[in-house]
Amino acid sequence: GAGVSQSPRYKVAKRGQDVALRCDPISGHVSLFWYQQALGQGPEFLTYFQNEAQLDKSGLPSDRFFAERPEGSVSTLKIQRTQQEDSAVYLCASSQRRDEQYFGPGTRLTVT
Amino acid sequence: AQSVTQPDIHITVSEGASLELRCNYSYGATPYLFWYVQSPGQGLQLLLKYFSGDTLVQGIKGFEAEFKRSQSSFNLRKPSVHWSDAAEYFCAVGPYSSASKIIFGSGTRLSIRP
Repeated sequence: GAGVSQSPRYKVAKRGQDVALRCDPISGHVSLFWYQQALGQGPEFLTYFQNEAQLDKSGLPSDRFFAERPEGSVSTLKIQRTQQEDSAVYLCASSQRRDEQYFGPGTRLTVT
Repeated sequence: AQSVTQPDIHITVSEGASLELRCNYSYGATPYLFWYVQSPGQGLQLLLKYFSGDTLVQGIKGFEAEFKRSQSSFNLRKPSVHWSDAAEYFCAVGPYSSASKIIFGSGTRLSIRP
């Protein structure tokens, strides 16, 4: 079916606001990943789910970042009390097999 | 430490010319190597991947990459570039043993001279 979708595509938040970024993976994909891509940089790993279980959250930069995937499908990345350094593109990827990750278009977050 | 180095930040080549983008990696386990392309405002698209077998890997859009274990390199090549190849290219490494995080390089921006 369709590829990985993310919403919103663009988000402007004032410093201190909370934001929620949504990822719809490819149907049937067991694994889901979140990455953060700062301007001019490569993506950096944030967290990984297998079904509803969060197996690795070692990349989350602070306790202001929280991710969930309660039913093993859609995932939400939440950032509380946003800071300017949170400005980046947030990429979601899903995979069925263990080798290839399919990426969504990303959500560009700008914190003013 | 696990890392990927792309030493060229920006490369400009003429349309029709050949291309080589460099990538060096450091990885403790047997690496699974990838090249992704990212066009402006788009997500990452997989060009090719390598784990084992023939060290010259063919990918989509006419790209190929060569794995050289002795040099810890995985360079991307294309014999003749097209204007539509202008984009950001990322080399990446991950584990084959499990679905897990991929470590990306900082990318090489490719511009095409008409």
